Amino acid sequence: GAVVSQHPSWVICKSGTSVKIECRSLDFQATTMFWYRQFPKQSLMLMATSNEGSKATYEQGVEKDKFLINHASLTLSTLTVTSAHPEDSSFYICSASLRETQYFGPGTRLLVL
Amino acid sequence: AQKVTQAQTEISVVEKEDVTLDCVYETRDTTYYLFWYKQPPSGELVFLIRRNSFDEQNEISGRYSWNFQKSTSSFNFTITASQVVDSAVYFCALSRAGGGFKTIFGAGTRLFVKA
Repeated sequence: GAVVSQHPSWVICKSGTSVKIECRSLDFQATTMFWYRQFPKQSLMLMATSNEGSKATYEQGVEKDKFLINHASLTLSTLTVTSAHPEDSSFYICSASLRETQYFGPGTRLLVL
Repeated sequence: AQKVTQAQTEISVVEKEDVTLDCVYETRDTTYYLFWYKQPPSGELVFLIRRNSFDEQNEISGRYSWNFQKSTSSFNFTITASQVVDSAVYFCALSRAGGGFKTIFGAGTRLFVKA
């Protein structure tokens, strides 16, 4: 139980394009999902908290117009990196909360050329 | 403010050695949760354990054991008879109780287990 999927697992795009990443809780409903970013050999950096049916809460320093989050259902949250630039290249990880524990997706590696 | 400190950046051991990963936390909450996650080279974080702040019993799961001591605000993780497959980054984390609260992660400890 408590399986979280992410799609795509890998994405390479040109600078200026937008990229959408999906996060799904497969066997449970999650009112809260989280989006993280992780640079090589570093810890997870929380970007935003996504609540179903309401606006996401962004961490300080994270541009909400750059990283659009939509949590339209209890099993799906999406992160859209708008007008991606090379500095947005990173490993993006989502998690979904179930009974006070976060379960993580496998992550999405984004490379912006 | 909440904080998690994993002072050990990297640890290297030889297979079959025991290894302890340290975790020290700070919080003003009386009710909170502590976690350990494993991140193998594939990148996916694997949940290992959750411990409630009111439960100081140590836990053992196979070769893994955890020592929670509120008096020293520590939640250490020991791997007994380490194996090459244990090589990964291990994160200690802390969250407030109540669900939906963000989890604060430590910097992680990278464990290398050599054959």
